Amino acid sequence: DTEVTQTPKHLVMGMTNKKSLKCEQHMGHRAMYWYKQKAKKPPELMFVYSYEKLSINESVPSRFSPECPNSSLLNLHLHALQPEDSALYLCASSHPGRGIYGYTFGSGTRLTVV
Amino acid sequence: GIQVEQSPPDLILQEGANSTLRCNFSDSVNNLQWFHQNPWGQLINLFYIPSGTKQNGRLSATTVATERYSLLYISSSQTTDSGVYFCAVGKGETSGSRLTFGEGTQLTVNP
Repeated sequence: DTEVTQTPKHLVMGMTNKKSLKCEQHMGHRAMYWYKQKAKKPPELMFVYSYEKLSINESVPSRFSPECPNSSLLNLHLHALQPEDSALYLCASSHPGRGIYGYTFGSGTRLTVV
Repeated sequence: GIQVEQSPPDLILQEGANSTLRCNFSDSVNNLQWFHQNPWGQLINLFYIPSGTKQNGRLSATTVATERYSLLYISSSQTTDSGVYFCAVGKGETSGSRLTFGEGTQLTVNP
């Protein structure tokens, strides 16, 4: 099992809704990431979890709330989003330990805020 | 933060042609990765290559860390090679550190 699974693939939500994005991996990776990608732009880092602890928050607005319930699962809780938050949200994971390893990305959730 | 520049921004090829994509970065790094994003948005890791040369089939990559650049070579291109190629770099010493992406090279391979 060498993949990162993201659900849902597509999500349309209103500005007053609460929704969650889910990311799961079973590769034993202990670093997990959320990235946001707008059309025709590169992915931008939002959050990093290392050994289930939040290690990097790139000054993301509080309407995005990450959660790492266990080593295989990463959630992104969404509340009171704005239309400009519409984007592709990508989850990634990488190998634990002192070395640096390549990232494995999920296929993303295309979010539209109406 | 580290600045990452990729060139060319756009590249159109005929099937069977070869190409070279370049990534320049502004600071020393110990993490450099090349990714391919297909038209459906899936990002595929091509190489983890902070230094040296690697080959995988028709693709190869070389990073000259002392001169702060990396090259991705695509030989005998196919229409399935179309998409955006990103270079991403970081300075962290362990997994779970920051990775910064360049703006990408949009590659179109025509039959």
